[in-house]
This record gives sequence, C-alpha cells and structure tokens, in this order.
Amino acid sequence: QKEVEQNSGPLSVPEGAIASLNCTYSDRGSQSFFWYRQYSGKSPELIMSIYSNGDKEDGRFTAQLNKASQYVSLLIRDSQPSDSATYLCAVSPSGGSYIPTFGRGTSLIVHP
Amino acid sequence: ETGVTQTPRHLVMGMTNKKSLKCEQHLGHNAMYWYKQSAKKPLELMFVYSLEERVENNSVPSRFSPECPNSSHLFLHLHTLQPEDSALYLCASSLSGQLGGELFFGEGSRLTVL
Repeated sequence: QKEVEQNSGPLSVPEGAIASLNCTYSDRGSQSFFWYRQYSGKSPELIMSIYSNGDKEDGRFTAQLNKASQYVSLLIRDSQPSDSATYLCAVSPSGGSYIPTFGRGTSLIVHP
Repeated sequence: ETGVTQTPRHLVMGMTNKKSLKCEQHLGHNAMYWYKQSAKKPLELMFVYSLEERVENNSVPSRFSPECPNSSHLFLHLHTLQPEDSALYLCASSLSGQLGGELFFGEGSRLTVL
C-alpha cells in the first residue's frame, strides 16, 4: 500500500524564522510531488509542485526532493503568522496513475 | 465564473433524506474527484472520473452515488446516510497524466447528518 507520512505537529516557529516541513513516501517509483496548504475551515490550495531531484524555489517557499531517500520537504522562509495552516504533502504514484495520495498534514503555527 | 464551485456549501439532512452535492469546474480539466475530509483525518479519496468515466472507487458505501454527465460537472447523490457520514466533502479537478496531481479544490460542502 502506497503511503505518505508526515508529522502531524503542531510545528511552532517564531515570526521571521524558517519553517521546515517534511514528508516521506513509500512508493520508490513515484514521479510527482506536491504541497498543499489548508487554512482552518477552508479547502486545500496547491502551493508547490516538484518533479525532479533538487530544489525548487517560489518566493518564500522552497520544495526539496530527494528520490533516493524518498523524502520531500517544504521550507518557508521569513515565516509569517498568515502562514499558519496545515500543510499537506501529496505524491502521485508510478505506473501511469496520476491520482495522488495525501499525507495527514502537518499543522504549522507561526507566532508573533 | 472561474475555478471549481460546489453547492450547497452547507447541508443538514436526516438519515432518510435524499440530497445531491454539485460540483462544476471552469478550468478545462478532464478529471474530477470527490474527497471526504473528517475532523483529524487525512483526505479520503472517494471517486475519480477521467473523461467522464469512473476510474477509481475506493470501497465507498453504496449510499454515496456519483454521477459525471460531462467533464465540467460532477454530482454526489446521497441517500440514507449515517451520522458518521458528517464531514466536509471536497470536489477537485485536474488534468490527467503527469500533471494530474495538481488538484484544484472547490470550497467544499459541509454535510451534517442528524
């Protein structure tokens, strides 16, 4: 069974710090990796996609992928209280299926 | 109107009622999904349609019945639900293929079963 694991948290960081969110996955052949942000009472919103090993930066967000170690991470620089949300990791499997498997999510709290 | 819209946003129903949730996407996507999200639980995939054909059905009870008349519309028909079915029901759409994991979600339909 394909699994995506995340620490449920909460991860608490001070404003201005770097928040580091981690995700591991079991399907070694996975091809596509995603981070979604979900504010309380709202629906998930895609914030990053990454498809190849290495780093991908978008503004204050950096996604890091290491397929050999089967982990993907999300770094949030200069964290703001508005970043407080649950961050969901999703992985699309190998074998032609595009349907992603979601992790349970990590709750992030950025305190002033 | 753009994006993925769901109606109704809130629904309260008794166990003997029949109701339907509606989802419409204006993104030109060819895959649509129903997810269930309960408190403190991960997203549970219920159904996936690609090009109007159901491609995934994750052992969902028959009291949930999906319908996808075209690539822009998706319904979830509900009948004789149980209180444990109370949850947030999320519709999403995407392209199929490698970009399929880039899901765009609607705002959700909050369902309460009395």
